[in-house]
Amino acid sequence: GAGVSQSPSNKVTEKGKDVELRCDPISGHTALYWYRQSLGQGLEFLIYFQGNSAPDKSGLPSDRFSAERTGGSVSTLTIQRTQQEDSAVYLCASSNPSQGYEQYFGPGTRLTVT
Amino acid sequence: DQQVKQNSPSLSVQEGRISILNCDYTNSMFDYFLWYKKYPAEGPTFLISISSIKDKNEDGRFTVFLNKSAKHLSLHIVPSQPGDSAVYFCAASGGTSGTYKYIFGTGTRLKVLA
Repeated sequence: GAGVSQSPSNKVTEKGKDVELRCDPISGHTALYWYRQSLGQGLEFLIYFQGNSAPDKSGLPSDRFSAERTGGSVSTLTIQRTQQEDSAVYLCASSNPSQGYEQYFGPGTRLTVT
Repeated sequence: DQQVKQNSPSLSVQEGRISILNCDYTNSMFDYFLWYKKYPAEGPTFLISISSIKDKNEDGRFTVFLNKSAKHLSLHIVPSQPGDSAVYFCAASGGTSGTYKYIFGTGTRLKVLA
């Protein structure tokens, strides 16, 4: 079946502009995660959605970052007034907690802020 | 405060030999551990997991060992193949981080030499 998809695959933006990154999880997966991987670093947890529960936003680095998940499916991560330190690969993952702990990752969006 | 550490950023192994990737954690409340493999320009893919009630889990060429007293886990790949060349991440969940929130290590780049 279809895996997790993310768009765009690459995004170059100027410092100060807003960007939106999209994630389409695997159909039926109730949990959705956003991570960030900066150059030479591990995966940094950003936010977690599970069903209709309030999201766990504890990993969002600043109030410039926000995310929403509409209809329990597609999710959008928005970064306002981008800074050069926001440059990273943004990864989305989904899982079905009733079937196990494994997360299924999308290919990521490489964001470059110039 | 890095709760999950992979202290070896890279490892080179001859084809056919054993690869051993190590991971240390600090939070004794972690109760589930996963290994992911990541190829360039792709999202991580799940490899193998282990619950804290076990000390070993095997899947084909991959075996994960957990030493709870040392807060250490390792991934053994035997025999290693050139296609195993990738970045390997360990991840942990449980305790105050919550069941479904994963803390990732910084990854180890494995190179299997033909």
